[in-house]
Amino acid sequence: GNSVTQMEGPVTLSEEAFLTINCTYTATGYPSLFWYVQYPGEGLQLLLKATKADDKGSNKGFEATYRKETTSFHLEKGSVQVSDSAVYFCALSDISGDNNDMRFGAGTRLTVKP
Amino acid sequence: GAVVSQHPSWVICKSGTSVKIECRSLDFQATTMFWYRQFPKQSLMLMATSNEGSKATYEQGVEKDKFLINHASLTLSTLTVTSAHPEDSSFYICSASGGQGYYNEQFFGPGTRLTVL
Repeated sequence: GNSVTQMEGPVTLSEEAFLTINCTYTATGYPSLFWYVQYPGEGLQLLLKATKADDKGSNKGFEATYRKETTSFHLEKGSVQVSDSAVYFCALSDISGDNNDMRFGAGTRLTVKP
Repeated sequence: GAVVSQHPSWVICKSGTSVKIECRSLDFQATTMFWYRQFPKQSLMLMATSNEGSKATYEQGVEKDKFLINHASLTLSTLTVTSAHPEDSSFYICSASGGQGYYNEQFFGPGTRLTVL
């Protein structure tokens, strides 16, 4: 079945440091890939997405490239800010399976210190 | 576009009572809605999937008689936690998909925090 594996946290960085959160996936079809962010006490917000191989999703300085050859969708940001502190979830959605099934990674908690 | 709301945002209830949570797609018609449960510091766990006008499909281990889901229209789904107990305390998140251009993307509500005393 489909699944997502992402880097375990927590991750603690200083402001302006470089961020990478690894995400790999297993899918039988042609999934779309997503990164969601969850701030404390809130629901999920879509951060970026990519719908096919070699697509790059980007938003708010974050980016991730859909790599089919390595089945990866790593999240990167060149210079993090304190306001980026949140939990990040990698996810995939495969419409070739049943009913738009979406699978989430375990989440990676990021803390950025000033 | 593609906004999903949930109501209430938080609720505290006594053990044994029932609680209803609403999930609405505000600007698109959601052919499918999903209900998730999230425990502290954990990922989202899919509870059930509902298509408008039909019975919900529950994930293994989720009691359908305890977590009643109704998807009566293309913009509204409800989750009722019946005879709630403290172990049902959790963060419940809904999502919706469907509509032109939105087929394989889910849009998430802000979540409802349930505390059962």
